[in-house]
Amino acid sequence: GAVVSQHPSRVICKSGTSVKIECRSLDFQATTMFWYRQFPKKSLMLMATSNEGSKATYEQGVEKDKFLINHASLTLSTLTVTSAHPEDSSFYICSARMGHTDTQYFGPGTRLTVL
Amino acid sequence: GQQVMQIPQYQHVQEGEDFTTYCNSSTTLSNIQWYKQRPGGHPVFLIQLVKSGEVKKQKRLTFQFGEAKKNSSLHITATQTTDVGTYFCAGSSNTGKLIFGQGTTLQVKP
Repeated sequence: GAVVSQHPSRVICKSGTSVKIECRSLDFQATTMFWYRQFPKKSLMLMATSNEGSKATYEQGVEKDKFLINHASLTLSTLTVTSAHPEDSSFYICSARMGHTDTQYFGPGTRLTVL
Repeated sequence: GQQVMQIPQYQHVQEGEDFTTYCNSSTTLSNIQWYKQRPGGHPVFLIQLVKSGEVKKQKRLTFQFGEAKKNSSLHITATQTTDVGTYFCAGSSNTGKLIFGQGTTLQVKP
């Protein structure tokens, strides 16, 4: 149980294009999903908290207009990187929290490369 | 803001040796969680500690939560090559957000 999927696993895009990443909880309902960014050999940096049916809460320094988050259902959250630039290249990982527990279950991550 | 410091950053051990990573938070935590990330993979949940002074064991792994709920440790007895990876602690505050430590990357020489 507690499986989280992410799609796509890898994406290469040209500078200036937008990329959408999907995060799904496959066997449970996730009232809250989190989006993280991880640079090579670095820790996970929380970007935003996504609650179903409401606006995402962004961490300080994260541009909400650049990283659009939508949490339309209890099993799906999307992150759209708008007008991507090479500095946005990173490993993006989502996690989902089951109910009101504290445990977060992580997706397999999406490696974004912007040329 | 809340910070979680983790040491050491890297550890190389001979197979069979023990390994310990330590985590310290700048604030009192509601709980602490430990994750393992293999090279090229994503973090996988290992355990959650909630109570002050709590000790939990998973086979060769022993997890401790400090009395003040501000520090934690993960100890691996008799490491194996399958233990290779980066171990992250993550402190949970009352907001439910996880603040990750920097991680300790473990290399095990066979």
